[in-house]
Amino acid sequence: GESVGLHLPTLSVQEGDNSIINCAYSNSASDYFIWYKQESGKGPQFIIDIRSNMDKRQGQRVTVLLNKTVKHLSLQIAATQPGDSAVYFCAENIFGSSNTGKLIFGQGTTLQVKP
Amino acid sequence: NAGVTQTPKFQVLKTGQSMTLQCAQDMNHNSMYWYRQDPGMGLRLIYYSASEGTTDKGEVPNGYNVSRLNKREFSLRLESAAPSQTSVYFCASSYRHLMNTEAFFGQGTRLTVV
Repeated sequence: GESVGLHLPTLSVQEGDNSIINCAYSNSASDYFIWYKQESGKGPQFIIDIRSNMDKRQGQRVTVLLNKTVKHLSLQIAATQPGDSAVYFCAENIFGSSNTGKLIFGQGTTLQVKP
Repeated sequence: NAGVTQTPKFQVLKTGQSMTLQCAQDMNHNSMYWYRQDPGMGLRLIYYSASEGTTDKGEVPNGYNVSRLNKREFSLRLESAAPSQTSVYFCASSYRHLMNTEAFFGQGTRLTVV
């Protein structure tokens, strides 16, 4: 069935350390993955995406890794800052036979940054 | 440039009442979406409109209807609200349906049905 899951509901890291947030997906037909950040009281904000023909993509302080063999996605945040504290969602795009697609979200991981 | 604007921000309804959640975007995006978010869960797609003039069901469409009024506006209607529809509702838009990296979300509407 379709499911996107994150391994840990809460991740606590020290300011300045690197953070790694993991996500498992179940649909091998998924071809596009996105990480979103949601701060309290706000809507999700796009962070970075990756297509299924890639293994790695880097942004500013963030890196997304995709392992299609084990259906695993991770978000790495370098030098974590207090402003990174939020809930992080992975989402996968699944295209149906009509090629319209739908975005399935995971349950989210709360990142807490300790000063 | 406001991005995606949702109204209202908060609403309390009695069971059986109806209401319409409004969403407007000023980015000239083709595709718009309605999601709901429940505590401890990710977002679930209710309905979407891949382009002006089309709407399609998402994961959890029951109890909702939508209207793509024009390219800018996409409304979500609850005809007879139920407590199970208590949730935070997010509208989103993207230039192209699910293929564009620039997917923008509104600030959300917190709905309580008593």
